[in-house]
Parts: sequence; C-alpha cells; structure tokens
Amino acid sequence: KAGVTQTPRYLIKTRGQQVTLSCSPISGHRSVSWYQQTPGQGLQFLFEYFSETQRNKGNFPGRFSGRQFSNSRSEMNVSTLELGDSALYLCASSVDASGYTFGSGTRLTVV
Amino acid sequence: AQSVTQPDIHITVSEGASLELRCNYSYGATPYLFWYVQSPGQGLQLLLKYFSGDTLVQGIKGFEAEFKRSQSSFNLRKPSVHWSDAAEYFCAVVSDSNYQLIWGAGTKLIIKP
Repeated sequence: KAGVTQTPRYLIKTRGQQVTLSCSPISGHRSVSWYQQTPGQGLQFLFEYFSETQRNKGNFPGRFSGRQFSNSRSEMNVSTLELGDSALYLCASSVDASGYTFGSGTRLTVV
Repeated sequence: AQSVTQPDIHITVSEGASLELRCNYSYGATPYLFWYVQSPGQGLQLLLKYFSGDTLVQGIKGFEAEFKRSQSSFNLRKPSVHWSDAAEYFCAVVSDSNYQLIWGAGTKLIIKP
C-alpha cells in the first residue's frame, strides 16, 4: 500500500513569507502528526490532527498552523517565516499510538 | 516529564562488528518504545517497537532491542553491521499526555570499512 506522501520535498522561501506543506497519509489512517527536525533542537512535535480536528498541539508559536481535510490529507502552514524555521518537516500517519509511519519530509530553507 | 536519553552522539563501528546503541527513558508505567532510523535527507523508518510482553523485540534489517525495566533502557543491537547501516538512529517513547512521540537526540552510526 502507498506510504505517506509529503510535498514538496524542498522549498526555499524568504523571511516574512508564508509557506504551506502537504501530507497525504496512508489510506485508512485518520491521524496525522507533524514534527519539526532541526540540528539544534532535534525532533519536536508540532501538532496532530484526527478526523479534521486538531487533537494535540506542541509548544510552537501561533505562526504554525494546520488543518486536515475529509480525506485525511493534512496541510501545515507557517506564516511570517523566520530564519529559525529552516528545518525538515516530517509528517506521520497512524491508526493509533501503536505505530507511526513517516513521510520523507519537506526540507524548508528560509533565506 | 517524560524524556528519552541517547548518551552517544556518534558511534563508529567496523563493518562486520557487533553494535549496541543505548537508549534510556523516564516513564512511570510500561512505555511504548520505538527505534527509528533516518538516512541523510530522508524520513524516519521504523525498525522495531515494544509495547508489552516479550522483552526482546525483533525488528527489520536484523536489528533487535531489549526492554529492561529495572534499568529504564531499551538498547538496540545488531550482531554484524553492514556499510548500509550507516545512518542516524532515534529512540522514542509515546507521551502519556498527548500520545505523541518524545524523541532522543539521536545517535549517528559511522561504519569503518
């Protein structure tokens, strides 16, 4: 079965711009979680969506937001980009806490 | 608060030698524990997981891990490493507050020919 698909793979944006990343989960998985990975902070949880509702949220500013559609696809948005937002953004889909399947990530570079 | 510690930032092993990557966690009850591997520029691939039962868990690519409650450890092992095992390895535990993953800092595995 198809895995988790994240688009785009790479993005370069300018400070102050906004960006939208997309994640298509495994068919049948209703939970989508987003993580940010940076060399300094490691892997950090951003938020989780389940059945179109944000179920959990990590400690990130309000510039980071997301949503989930009825087909379970999810998007995350970062507004007013800062240099420190440069990171690998990973999406994981799951049925429950027993297993998380990750996409290949979107590498965002803010210049 | 729950946490995961991977004490080794880098480990260098000769090809064909055995490997053990350390992971310690802090958690009151029986944790859900995972090991993931990440190749450069790639996402995370699940190697194995532990929820309950047999404390020795077998995973993909010849990896295994042993859950030791008394030591709060979940170390990853492989009897003979291959050059293709060079990657970064992450240990994680499921948070009991939001059921999301809490990650260790990762251990980068370097293989000497």
